[in-house]
Amino acid sequence: AQSVSQHNHHVILSEAASLELGCNYSYGGTVNLFWYVQYPGQHLQLLLKYFSGDPLVKGIKGFEAEFIKSKFSFNLRKPSVQWSDTAEYFCAVMGYSSASKIIFGSGTRLSIRP
Amino acid sequence: NAGVTQTPKFRVLKTGQSMTLLCAQDMNHEYMYWYRQDPGMGLRLIHYSVGEGTTAKGEVPDGYNVSRLKKQNFLLGLESAAPSQTSVYFCASSPGRGRPGTQYFGPGTRLLVL
Repeated sequence: AQSVSQHNHHVILSEAASLELGCNYSYGGTVNLFWYVQYPGQHLQLLLKYFSGDPLVKGIKGFEAEFIKSKFSFNLRKPSVQWSDTAEYFCAVMGYSSASKIIFGSGTRLSIRP
Repeated sequence: NAGVTQTPKFRVLKTGQSMTLLCAQDMNHEYMYWYRQDPGMGLRLIHYSVGEGTTAKGEVPDGYNVSRLKKQNFLLGLESAAPSQTSVYFCASSPGRGRPGTQYFGPGTRLLVL
């Protein structure tokens, strides 16, 4: 069965700090991987996704993620965070043969100090 | 385009009452999903549909039923509400084959069961 682990439940950073949010998944086959973001009071939006090809994926707002197959990881990074990045971030995985079922991690709340 | 809309936005129920949540999308998407979001648990898939007239169980289907009689609508029913079903419910849709995983989310329905 698919599962996703996000080990950081709440991360607090100052503006301009670098960010890395961890995501590990469990699945025995080919996967598609996603990061979604939920800003306060808003619904989820797709930040970036990995289907195949270059394991370094660039998304919106300066975010990127790297798929490391040997580590079953898909960590999210941003070199310099802004106050507007305050949100909850969800990693998600979809097994290639799972009929578009996406399994979400429990989320990481990111708080940015101005 | 309105995207994905959900009705109602907020509802309070008493234990044992029934209700139906409506999700509508105007993007001609094939796939639709119902999730619940609880603190510290991320999003969990309740039921999903890969086309009109078809539905399938997700991770936490017990206590819920769904119907997809029209391609643009996906209904989530609670036959006998329980306090454990207090949650925020999100509907999502995706184009389906060819662009799996790019899910578009609605604004959510906040449900309180007393």
